[in-house]
This record gives sequence, structure tokens and C-alpha cells, in this order.
Amino acid sequence: EPEVTQTPSHQVTQMGQEVILRCVPISNHLYFYWYRQILGQKVEFLVSFYNNEISEKSEIFDDQFSVERPDGSNFTLKIRSTKLEDSAMYFCASSGPGYSNQPQHFGDGTRLSIL
Amino acid sequence: GIQVEQSPPDLILQEGANSTLRCNFSDSVNNLQWFHQNPWGQLINLFYIPSGTKQNGRLSATTVATERYSLLYISSSQTTDSGVYFCAVERRTGGFKTIFGAGTRLFVKA
Repeated sequence: EPEVTQTPSHQVTQMGQEVILRCVPISNHLYFYWYRQILGQKVEFLVSFYNNEISEKSEIFDDQFSVERPDGSNFTLKIRSTKLEDSAMYFCASSGPGYSNQPQHFGDGTRLSIL
Repeated sequence: GIQVEQSPPDLILQEGANSTLRCNFSDSVNNLQWFHQNPWGQLINLFYIPSGTKQNGRLSATTVATERYSLLYISSSQTTDSGVYFCAVERRTGGFKTIFGAGTRLFVKA
């Protein structure tokens, strides 16, 4: 069964640095998502992406964050000038190809640790 | 925005017992999924169930969309069922956004 893959599985970065988290969605999917889960808390929606543009974003997704689909297979989340509170697990998900009745498939996540 | 409430927040079961987890949501939704988060942090998709009833082995789920709730049933629980169970709903009105509940933390004792 096709899977969503995320790299790296664990990223350690100094505060203030930029990080790029990478995701390869399922190949025929059209809808893409990023989520964040701070340790011990619930999963929080960050952003959804369709047709090469952001569909919706949460209040968490401020100017520090950006997403990109640089080619036909990758979907990336960039976090500029990281802060300690950015430490969390970041999940990528994809769904599709149709508009309705499509479950989201999640990757295994990238654990981001900011020092 | 949509509110998603899960109950109970915590649940301790003896192995072999049955349980029902509930998810209430405050507005109509297009999609609803149940996930199990295992000790390694992976989100395992249990059911995609915007309406109706589904069964998969010892697990089953029912969503009554008109009344805005979903139930996850676990029968004959096993220690490997331990973890956090999340309900997630997606609303597609123009843009699309997914909201997770706070989860039910389940511990099954041997």
C-alpha cells in the first residue's frame, strides 16, 4: 500500500536556525497537509495545500512558516528562525485524488528538537 | 470554528473488557477519521467514517452525522490497544481544515 514518507525522522537544530521538513505524499493525491503535535498534547492543524496554493492555514501558521511543492513529488514545510517552542512532532498528510470522501494518510512524522 | 470534544479523556481497562469512546463535533463535517497513536508516536488510521457504521476485527465505529457524534467501540481489549485515540473532522467550505479532538488516553492492564 502506498505510504506518505517524511524525512528526517528526527531533526535537532539550534534556536534561530532555519529548518526544512520534507514529505513525499502518495503519488496520485492532490490535497496536502501539515500538522504539529507538541509532546503530550493534541494534533494541531497548520496548513492545507491544493493546486499549488495554500487552501487554509491556522493561526499558528504565521510568517515564520512556509510550504512549497517544489516538484511533482515533494511537499516541504520551512520554519524560519526557529524558537524553543517550535519543538514538536510534525506530521504530513495527503488525500485524494477526488474532492470528497477521501481519508487522509499520515506519515510517521519528524520530531523537531530546538536547542 | 468547529469544536471537537472527546470523552472520556482517560480510560483504564482490564484486558478483555469492552469500551466505547465518543467524539462530539459542533458543526457539519465532510470527513471524519479515528486514529490510534501508538507509543512510537505514529498515527494509525482506524476508520474513515463520515457517516454510517464500519467494523474491523475487534473495533467498530458509528457516526451519526445528523446528530454530530461518532463512537468507537473496542471489544475484548488487549494490552496492545493502549495508547491515545483521536477523532479528527474535516470541513470543506472553500478551504479545507482538519480539527483533532484532544484524544482519549487508554491503558489496558494485563
